[in-house]
Amino acid sequence: DTEVTQTPKHLVMGMTNKKSLKCEQHMGHRAMYWYKQKAKKPPELMFVYSYEKLSINESVPSRFSPECPNSSLLNLHLHALQPEDSALYLCASSQSQQWNEQFFGPGTRLTVL
Amino acid sequence: ILNVEQSPQSLHVQEGDSTNFTCSFPSSNFYALHWYRWETAKSPEALFVMTLNGDEKKKGRISATLNTKEGYSYLYIKGSQPEDSATYLCAFHGSGNTGKLIFGQGTTLQVKP
Repeated sequence: DTEVTQTPKHLVMGMTNKKSLKCEQHMGHRAMYWYKQKAKKPPELMFVYSYEKLSINESVPSRFSPECPNSSLLNLHLHALQPEDSALYLCASSQSQQWNEQFFGPGTRLTVL
Repeated sequence: ILNVEQSPQSLHVQEGDSTNFTCSFPSSNFYALHWYRWETAKSPEALFVMTLNGDEKKKGRISATLNTKEGYSYLYIKGSQPEDSATYLCAFHGSGNTGKLIFGQGTTLQVKP
């Protein structure tokens, strides 16, 4: 199974809501990533987890809270988001943080009203 | 700030045409250069991970070359088919940024039958 799955595919939330994005892989990969892509812009790295520990936080606002409960699962908890946070959120995984090839999920399209 | 540039931004070709696009990246602190193919509503799919100067990789009708000294990579598609229509992204992986990919904005290819 070389697939990274993400749920939900689409999410609409208000600025006062709390929601979570979920990412799952069963390739035995030990590094997992969150990227954000705004329209007509390249994906930008947000967080990297390595062996279930947060390795890189690209100065992301605290209204985004990542969590890696086990080696197969990566969550992104959202709270008090702003309309400018509307974007495509991509999850990826790789064999390790030092390993080159990253496998991506299809993303969650988030709209903040 | 590391800059990864892709050109052209978009390309329209006829079925059967061969085409190529460019990715330019910093020539210092190079670790790897990734090429991804991204069809609408699907996951970005890894095409190549290139690490050595002068490297040339091939996958069917698609090939890529790498020049790390001058900081560029070319992606070639021979005999384009409508199913090649997608956005092609390159991503720079620097030696000091483990796991962090810096993406270009992509080249969107449209192949007309």
